[in-house]
Amino acid sequence: EADIYQTPRYLVIGTGKKITLECSQTMGHDKMYWYQQDPGMELHLIHYSYGVNSTEKGDLSSESTVSRIRTEHFPLTLESARPSHTSQYLCASSAEITPYEQYFGPGTRLTVT
Amino acid sequence: DAKTTQPNSMESNEEEPVHLPCNHSTISGTDYIHWYRQLPSQGPEYVIHGLTSNVNNRMASLAIAEDRKSSTLILHRATLRDAAVYYCILRYSGYALNFGKGTSLLVTP
Repeated sequence: EADIYQTPRYLVIGTGKKITLECSQTMGHDKMYWYQQDPGMELHLIHYSYGVNSTEKGDLSSESTVSRIRTEHFPLTLESARPSHTSQYLCASSAEITPYEQYFGPGTRLTVT
Repeated sequence: DAKTTQPNSMESNEEEPVHLPCNHSTISGTDYIHWYRQLPSQGPEYVIHGLTSNVNNRMASLAIAEDRKSSTLILHRATLRDAAVYYCILRYSGYALNFGKGTSLLVTP
């Protein structure tokens, strides 16, 4: 059973607000990822981290930023939310020895009005 | 990067085997083939992966062609809970995965 958590599960917020989506895992995984998925569409990688103080941008350009100060925690921040940021955000993690076996959280569905 | 091609959708009857195909004609020798699935309103779930030999686990079997240009995910007895989008994935960059569009599997009673 995967132990990766995301909060909030659902968020409706107004334009211009700063938001942080939380992601935590208790498996001690070094690698963590953020994907973005619009309804019925493909998942796109927006950020990833291979360890503490390591973050990289993914293939889909995103105005969000991430940080990795602790192994278990990988928050995603939007400084000024816009309607174009409305989407589902999925966090995942994987272990060093099985990097392609990624465990996903339940996702945060963000709506910016 | 190597690409995968999957049918957009497939349909199966409950309790029958399902063979989900994937073409990856430009696969490199070091690329593993991964399968994930995404149930409605959930995050993706790892199913199986392999390199050259066929693989079995509690969820499914993976049959890999001898030339590695195609593979097939086999669900031995489909249940209604297996209705999902199934993704055939090669390595993207580093350890990040390129999910693509996948195959939407419909299971009917």
